[in-house]
Amino acid sequence: DGGITQSPKYLFRKEGQNVTLSCEQNLNHDAMYWYRQDPGQGLRLIYYSQIVNDFQKGDIAEGYSVSREKKESFPLTVTSAQKNPTAFYLCASKRSGQGGYGYTFGSGTRLTVV
Amino acid sequence: EDKVVQSPLSLVVHEGDTVTLNCSYEVTNFRSLLWYKQEKKAPTFLFMLTSSGIEKKSGRLSSILDKKELFSILNITATQTGDSAVYLCAVESDLWGGSEKLVFGKGTKLTVNP
Repeated sequence: DGGITQSPKYLFRKEGQNVTLSCEQNLNHDAMYWYRQDPGQGLRLIYYSQIVNDFQKGDIAEGYSVSREKKESFPLTVTSAQKNPTAFYLCASKRSGQGGYGYTFGSGTRLTVV
Repeated sequence: EDKVVQSPLSLVVHEGDTVTLNCSYEVTNFRSLLWYKQEKKAPTFLFMLTSSGIEKKSGRLSSILDKKELFSILNITATQTGDSAVYLCAVESDLWGGSEKLVFGKGTKLTVNP
């Protein structure tokens, strides 16, 4: 079955540590996105990528980094520069040409800083 | 700056009630408006709206878009406890380079009590 796999589902990090969240899709989608969700805040765009080896900052990119070395993979690194990293992180991908129908979401990773 | 505003942010009703959720938006390059249902994990697609005045319907849920007044409503009739969730409104708009992004509202948390 095609879909997006995010791992891990739950992640605990000590302050000052970098951590990488995995996002893998087997849908052959070109575009991939990372969103952050805080209680009462909706989803906010962190980074997006239209094609391999290219990515752009979203609305809240500070303290995050990404790579897109393969079409299937779009990992997100939460660096120590991110002041409030505790949140729910959602990865999404999109099939070109399907408009709003084309988005697929992963099940998310809940990151907690301890 | 693109903006999507949902109201109310929280709603508690009894089973059998009818509810109306509101979504207004201001985006520079509107493509479509989407409604999602989120129950702790990945958002589930409900509707995509692109044209004004055309109601989309699925069972007890329906939605309509007004592109002149820049808002949409989501109606749920004869609510059930299984309708309890966060309902997200998102607008798809153009990004630099020809791709698209979703701009989300903060969501409406609906609680349906038996």
